[in-house]
Amino acid sequence: QSVLTQPPSVSGAPGQRVTISCTGSSSNFGAGYDVHWYQQLPGTAPKLLIYGNSNRPSGVPDRFSGSKSGTSASLAITGLQVEDEADYYCQSYDSSLRGYVFGTGTKVTVL
Amino acid sequence: EVQLVESGGGLVQPGGSLRLSCAASGLTFSTYAMRWVRQAPGKGLEWVSAISGSGGSTFYADSVKGRFTISRDNSENTLYLQMNSLRAEDTAVYYCAKEVLRYFALDYWGQGTLVTVSS
Repeated sequence: QSVLTQPPSVSGAPGQRVTISCTGSSSNFGAGYDVHWYQQLPGTAPKLLIYGNSNRPSGVPDRFSGSKSGTSASLAITGLQVEDEADYYCQSYDSSLRGYVFGTGTKVTVL
Repeated sequence: EVQLVESGGGLVQPGGSLRLSCAASGLTFSTYAMRWVRQAPGKGLEWVSAISGSGGSTFYADSVKGRFTISRDNSENTLYLQMNSLRAEDTAVYYCAKEVLRYFALDYWGQGTLVTVSS
């Protein structure tokens, strides 16, 4: 089982703001390791949305933002759009496991 | 443009072996650490293995340690994953991915190759 816990699903109407939480521990976020976020559309490879807690790669809309505090992190999507319907994963490094870890994943549904 | 193209997946019996390849283009391959990540059908993402740019350092998830071997040929811009003693629970789509410099994030992914372990 993953050491990074996310809610299984979140939903919102078009235009609304939704947030996805990612709960870690003292061996990953609490140890200072960054959080990164990925979007996976059905049947496709994951796409990097946020790296280094809050940085957006070129081409990612500023509707997506990330933050980290203590042993938790979150991804916010503002102005929700139909094309944002996808699975979202957080990711970090864990010093106890000595490996990279992904969150459990969150399915975003646009109502 | 960076492109990663996996190959080598297929159907294999339990206990069998398979070697995956990932051909990279559009980047100075030896500069970047690379990883393999897998996704079982209907499940989440799982990190499998990582290798430094030079190939001198390798890392494995506990679930594959001792059975899988990651390697790279920087002269051929190709990443490999040798998978031995395969189990049903290794059934997944396997992605290769490139690390962002100075971050443990993955900014380019291949399309994935499906490995099915079944008798």
